[in-house]
Amino acid sequence: DIQLTQSPSFLSASVGDRVTITCRASQGISSYLAWYQQIPGKAPKLLIYLASTLKSGVPSRFSGSGSGTEFTLTIASLQPEDFATYYCQQLYPYPFTFGPGTKVDI
Amino acid sequence: QVHLVESGGAVVQPGRSLRLSCSASGFTFSSYAMHWVRQAPGKGLEWLAVISYESSNKYYADSVKGRFTISRDNSKNTVYLQMNTLRVEDTAVYYCAKEGAPPASYSSGIDYWGQGTLVTVSS
Repeated sequence: DIQLTQSPSFLSASVGDRVTITCRASQGISSYLAWYQQIPGKAPKLLIYLASTLKSGVPSRFSGSGSGTEFTLTIASLQPEDFATYYCQQLYPYPFTFGPGTKVDI
Repeated sequence: QVHLVESGGAVVQPGRSLRLSCSASGFTFSSYAMHWVRQAPGKGLEWLAVISYESSNKYYADSVKGRFTISRDNSKNTVYLQMNTLRVEDTAVYYCAKEGAPPASYSSGIDYWGQGTLVTVSS
């Protein structure tokens, strides 16, 4: 099975900061990667799929890039509602796996 | 709008069985694959299983393969997760979730999630 690692596992930031989270896959997965945001007590929310496609309705300050084994999620200017935990997920092949998460805190 | 409602969570003893249900509305249920994902208390997300739109394909995480079974009833817009031989480490919130991509396409992620149902395995 494909393993995902994320770095950092914890990130302390301020409103307005540019934030970058990295996800690495144990083998190449082309662009089959998604990013999710989870606020405590809530279900995850899809932000980006196929590595760089922004889901409709997601603010444009979120962007994704990468292919193969290294991917990044960037938040251009952190807003108060962005303090959450972010997960990457590989989408091919099965079984799909999630990264361990990156908590973005104030 | 898309609405997914899980039910069936409970406190159960190790070794027992439990079946979760997820009722879907707001989209053409029979046209999309469905997933189950869980989250242990204070931990990250764990993908468990997926079933294709017409039930012909099912895939599982190694951690539940042989113990859990995913199924669906398109006439009832419902997906199920049968969980057998439960272990303490199966304690988690279980989410039902909708695949974003149509059939015959590579996955585009999980675009809608239920609110989750809590399963506690304890003696």
